[in-house]
Amino acid sequence: GDSVTQMEGPVTLSEEAFLTINCTYTATGYPSLFWYVQYPGEGLQLLLKATKADDKGSNKGFEATYRKETTSFHLEKGSVQVSDSAVYFCALSEEQAGTALIFGKGTTLSVSS
Amino acid sequence: DAGVIQSPRHEVTEMGQEVTLRCKPISGHNSLFWYRQTMMRGLELLIYFNNNVPIDDSGMPEDRFSAKMPNASFSTLKIQPSEPRDSAVYFCAAGVRGLHDTEAFFGQGTRLTVV
Repeated sequence: GDSVTQMEGPVTLSEEAFLTINCTYTATGYPSLFWYVQYPGEGLQLLLKATKADDKGSNKGFEATYRKETTSFHLEKGSVQVSDSAVYFCALSEEQAGTALIFGKGTTLSVSS
Repeated sequence: DAGVIQSPRHEVTEMGQEVTLRCKPISGHNSLFWYRQTMMRGLELLIYFNNNVPIDDSGMPEDRFSAKMPNASFSTLKIQPSEPRDSAVYFCAAGVRGLHDTEAFFGQGTRLTVV
């Protein structure tokens, strides 16, 4: 079945550093891919989304490109801030394969000033 | 719209007691998910409704867990009897199911502690 694999955390960075969080997926067809973010004590919020190969999702300085050839959707940000400290989840949805929405295990990002 | 509303936000109960978690989804969103989050297992999908009908309950851990969605504006997740290993944060999410994918909006969660 469909699945999502994320890099293990935690990721610890200094402010203004470059961020990459790796995500790869397994799917039977052509899923949509998502990044969600969870701040302490809150539910998950959609950060960005891509629905087909080579699409780039972007929001709040974060971006991720849907790479079908490598089945990846890595999250990047050029310069992180302390306020970016949170848990980041990669997810996929593939309605035609019966996969509503499944998540990776999450990667904790901690940014220090 | 106020978003997905879950209640209670926190619940502490004794082992063996019945626990009911409640969710009010976003009006017009045709899918509803219940997830459980723990440090060990991450975010697990328990059950998924579409248009109030359970579509996939393969993630429900065992018969002690049950979920209902009697109408489009309300859902419950019940644990009876509860056990300490059920301690987790339970999230409800409302989804917009499109032709190709479902995009979900999460509530703030219910933190359940079973002692």
